[in-house]
Amino acid sequence: DTGVSQNPRHKITKRGQNVTFRCDPISEHNRLYWYRQTLGQGPEFLTYFQNEAQLEKSRLLSDRFSAERPKGSFSTLEIQRTEQGDSAMYLCASSLPQGARYGYTFGSGTRLTVV
Amino acid sequence: QQQVKQSPQSLIVQKGGISIINCAYENTAFDYFPWYQQFPGKGPALLIAIRPDVSEKKEGRFTISFNKSAKQFSLHIMDSQPGDSATYFCAAGGGGSNYKLTFGKGTLLTVNP
Repeated sequence: DTGVSQNPRHKITKRGQNVTFRCDPISEHNRLYWYRQTLGQGPEFLTYFQNEAQLEKSRLLSDRFSAERPKGSFSTLEIQRTEQGDSAMYLCASSLPQGARYGYTFGSGTRLTVV
Repeated sequence: QQQVKQSPQSLIVQKGGISIINCAYENTAFDYFPWYQQFPGKGPALLIAIRPDVSEKKEGRFTISFNKSAKQFSLHIMDSQPGDSATYFCAAGGGGSNYKLTFGKGTLLTVNP
């Protein structure tokens, strides 16, 4: 297992298009998180899965955003009708059941640019 | 509302010097305080973490100092090296949630050779 894998690494899209990102967590981690990081800011929590159940969604996650984790393995984050304000680094992380207290393992992120 | 305030935004230190980054939090329910290190093009990686029942934790050249009454904690990097040049984020978690972290805005550390 080589850690948390995110694809694609970079995505450039035109405003109004839909985009989907994928995250493959560390196999024994049952918790998966999505964070968003904009330039000059720390990561901001978007949503969290325990196995296949999505247990919390931040108010940052508008109706245009949807995340899934079918079968409790990989996860996808979809953004519909992208806007320029969606440009950011989207980070996925996973952890053991003890959660954040024992540290997340982050992926390298997907950098989204909306033009 | 920014719950974790981090300073300075950027820091330049000479090789061998001490780097100090400070954070302050507002939510007294936080009970887990990690520091993450991020290199360009990479995701943040856990560096060191502390819980409020201790005032200091040291791992190699990295030390966290924690002041519960002041609601402040800081990262000290001793004998700073050029390879330490990265962005450092403090974070806080807990308060009934063992999954969510609130991050500071980050400090860009540059260690000159």
